Amino acid sequence: LAKTTQPISMDSYEGQEVNITCSHNNIATNDYITWYQQFPSQGPRFIIQGYKTKVTNEVASLFIPADRKSSTLSLPRVSLSDTAVYYCLVGETGGFKTIFGAGTRLFVKA
Amino acid sequence: GAVVSQHPSRVICKSGTSVKIECRSLDFQATTMFWYRQFPKQSLMLMATSNEGSKATYEQGVEKDKFLINHASLTLSTLTVTSAHPEDSSFYICSARDPTGNLGEQYFGPGTRLTVT
Repeated sequence: LAKTTQPISMDSYEGQEVNITCSHNNIATNDYITWYQQFPSQGPRFIIQGYKTKVTNEVASLFIPADRKSSTLSLPRVSLSDTAVYYCLVGETGGFKTIFGAGTRLFVKA
Repeated sequence: GAVVSQHPSRVICKSGTSVKIECRSLDFQATTMFWYRQFPKQSLMLMATSNEGSKATYEQGVEKDKFLINHASLTLSTLTVTSAHPEDSSFYICSARDPTGNLGEQYFGPGTRLTVT
């Protein structure tokens, strides 16, 4: 399982775009990159998943460079309700287990 | 998306007693479920992998005799904290993969807050 490194915390203001970068230098060929969001006292929620280049859904975009050693989660026009912890995980799709890193605590201010 | 439920959402018990937490996949069958523990301001720590019809696989450092896991059906896994002590107080979260989903993402339950007094 590839280890991930993320910033411990980030601050932003409402309406801004937030980019959270995750490093995963030893990502394997079969590994996908998945991001989860967690609010206090709740289970994590799936945000987005990708393998390479760019993936976009109604919530976020995920940018993955050609070497796949890092990825960037982009949250457009954040609101106060986006204050949460964001986890980057790397592993095979449908892989046997998921190991969480420390995550990034995003605080959105008014 | 798929839904995973947990019961109870919070429980308070006395030291020395046992507590059972249920995890259910509501609209899909899960041959594998996962149990995590999360302390305040910390990340999720994988405790064990629950396999339907067979023994659970525990992570290193997790006492299998203290944290009993039973995966009796394709939609239900239970975690029993035996002889609970105050240091077992934590937020317990289960998850399951929907094998029919094309992304293989995990769906997490809402968590169970255990407080041991």
